[in-house]
Amino acid sequence: QKEVEQNSGPLSVPEGAIASLNCTYSDRVSQSFFWYRQYSGKSPELIMSIYSNGDKEDGRFTAQLNKASQYVSLLIRDSQPSDSATYLCAVLNTGNQFYFGTGTSLTVIP
Amino acid sequence: NAGVTQTPKFQVLKTGQSMTLQCAQDMNHNSMYWYRQDPGMGLRLIYYSASEGTTDKGEVPNGYNVSRLNKREFSLRLESAAPSQTSVYFCASSDMWQPQHFGDGTRLSIL
Repeated sequence: QKEVEQNSGPLSVPEGAIASLNCTYSDRVSQSFFWYRQYSGKSPELIMSIYSNGDKEDGRFTAQLNKASQYVSLLIRDSQPSDSATYLCAVLNTGNQFYFGTGTSLTVIP
Repeated sequence: NAGVTQTPKFQVLKTGQSMTLQCAQDMNHNSMYWYRQDPGMGLRLIYYSASEGTTDKGEVPNGYNVSRLNKREFSLRLESAAPSQTSVYFCASSDMWQPQHFGDGTRLSIL
């Protein structure tokens, strides 16, 4: 079992819709969770961090964490074509080790 | 504030040649990392350095060596390049319990 698993997609949503990206992790005691956005040919860019159960909102982005279910999600409201990218979920465990998912490809259709 | 700087951005090598990828960060981070990214494989950790003076193997260390020159700099060396090492290489840095910040990457082709 991989440490972090994501549906590779591709996920396609129409412009203005909500995009929902999901991630599960295997280490129950992981403490910190991150979402990165990676445009084609570019490097990963941190867009959200979440450390405690519940929702964290930043503009059009909401990260959701459920430690009991070992599940992290990212919601993108009012999706724009500029949101088309690959989204990487990352988990930091108590040993300060990072694990990245393989990413979900999102396409927002105008 | 440059963040994480990688050089070169692009490189073409012939099989058997050697080269060193350079990485420097100006965020005073303790930890630095080298990843490779191949289509469909995600980011795979090659080596990391938790602090100045220490280095450890990651998931795919074979064929690579690293040097943590000082707190700012972490280099990756390919002693005898092979076509299987054609990839995009990313350097990243972080502090303990903090997210990683990535450089722009080096696109390496080995013929």
